[in-house]
Amino acid sequence: DVKVTQSSRYLVKRTGEKVFLECVQDMDHENMFWYRQDPGLGLRLIYFSYDVKMKEKGDIPEGYSVSREKKERFSLILESASTNQTSMYLCASSRTGFSPLHFGNGTRLTVT
Amino acid sequence: AQSVTQLDSQVPVFEEAPVELRCNYSSSVSVYLFWYVQYPNQGLQLLLKYLSGSTLVKGINGFEAEFNKSQTSFHLRKPSVHISDTAEYFCAVSGGATNKLIFGTGTLLAVQP
Repeated sequence: DVKVTQSSRYLVKRTGEKVFLECVQDMDHENMFWYRQDPGLGLRLIYFSYDVKMKEKGDIPEGYSVSREKKERFSLILESASTNQTSMYLCASSRTGFSPLHFGNGTRLTVT
Repeated sequence: AQSVTQLDSQVPVFEEAPVELRCNYSSSVSVYLFWYVQYPNQGLQLLLKYLSGSTLVKGINGFEAEFNKSQTSFHLRKPSVHISDTAEYFCAVSGGATNKLIFGTGTLLAVQP
């Protein structure tokens, strides 16, 4: 079974802090994704990566950056956290472009 | 550009009753369609997918969906729901050059005893 592990389940940070959300997958998947989930808005794609050191902007990349130094790890970085980034963050991976996504359990981030 | 519409934000239903969760999409290219389920405090997991072939797709936990190209719909159905089906259900579409998966806003299925 594919496992996607997000390092933190809950996180509380202060405005202006630099925040790192980590995600690791164990199935040698090429593709990795970061979504944020907000009530009434569904899932919105922040960034994705099709290969190591490769990244592409999703629909809402502003205020975020990512890093993929190794195939199994995809990090989401909030350079200077703001209260409007309080949300549930979901990491996912997939084998190929049209393969189903496998999701982690999410990180609920609160920025105060 | 592709988009997905889930018109019902919440669907209450009694246990053992049938249910249909609606999903409509728009796309100018051939699409792949998915339904995902999210149980409380968990990530999403795949319920079923349509890639090609038969328009009636069967998934896990007794769910099925029908791809209707003329109506651009991919509604999810179950003939008899259980309390354990209470969850949020997301329809998603991908296709075209980018292969990005676009999600709908979700439908909360609330099964009552």
